[in-house]
Amino acid sequence: AQTVTQSQPEMSVQEAETVTLSCTYDTSESDYYLFWYKQPPSRQMILVIRQEAYKQQNATENRFSVNFQKAAKSFSLKISDSQLGDAAMYFCAYRKDNDMRFGAGTRLTVKP
Amino acid sequence: DTGVSQNPRHKITKRGQNVTFRCDPISEHNRLYWYRQTLGQGPEFLTYFQNEAQLEKSRLLSDRFSAERPKGSFSTLEIQRTEQGDSAMYLCASSSALVLQETQYFGPGTRLLVL
Repeated sequence: AQTVTQSQPEMSVQEAETVTLSCTYDTSESDYYLFWYKQPPSRQMILVIRQEAYKQQNATENRFSVNFQKAAKSFSLKISDSQLGDAAMYFCAYRKDNDMRFGAGTRLTVKP
Repeated sequence: DTGVSQNPRHKITKRGQNVTFRCDPISEHNRLYWYRQTLGQGPEFLTYFQNEAQLEKSRLLSDRFSAERPKGSFSTLEIQRTEQGDSAMYLCASSSALVLQETQYFGPGTRLLVL
């Protein structure tokens, strides 16, 4: 079974600094998708960034970028120039066909 | 389109009662998913529809749970004879099979508390 592990239950970053959230996953598949979702307090989950496993190039969305290491089955999220609005739970997710698995999440606090 | 909507947003019920939640997906999306999220955890897959057909169910979906999507648009999730362990956030997501990468877009969830 595919599992997704987020080893950092909580992280903290100073406003304008950079933070990296870790995610590892377990799979025997070669083609799949990886996602980072953000869930602000009492608000709905929104997609932050997406990576296709067949692409070697790391995905980037403005201040958000990933470090995808396929062989190591690692998919970390880097948030640059952190803003107060980045404070949220961040979930790493793996998807193969219609099987979507989430990690337990990392709570990110942004200090002003 | 304003995205995926779910109703009600909150539900408090007594143990043993039945509850029903509704999800309205993004209008052009033909795939719809239900997840359960307990406190401090990520969402866990419950079931999945493509159009009106329920194609997959998790073992988490006991006999007390039933989901429908009668016309391939909105979906309902019913829990019969609720138990305290059913207390959780129930999330709905939708996606389009016609779009490469097929990102799932989530609704705000229905938070259920069983007393």
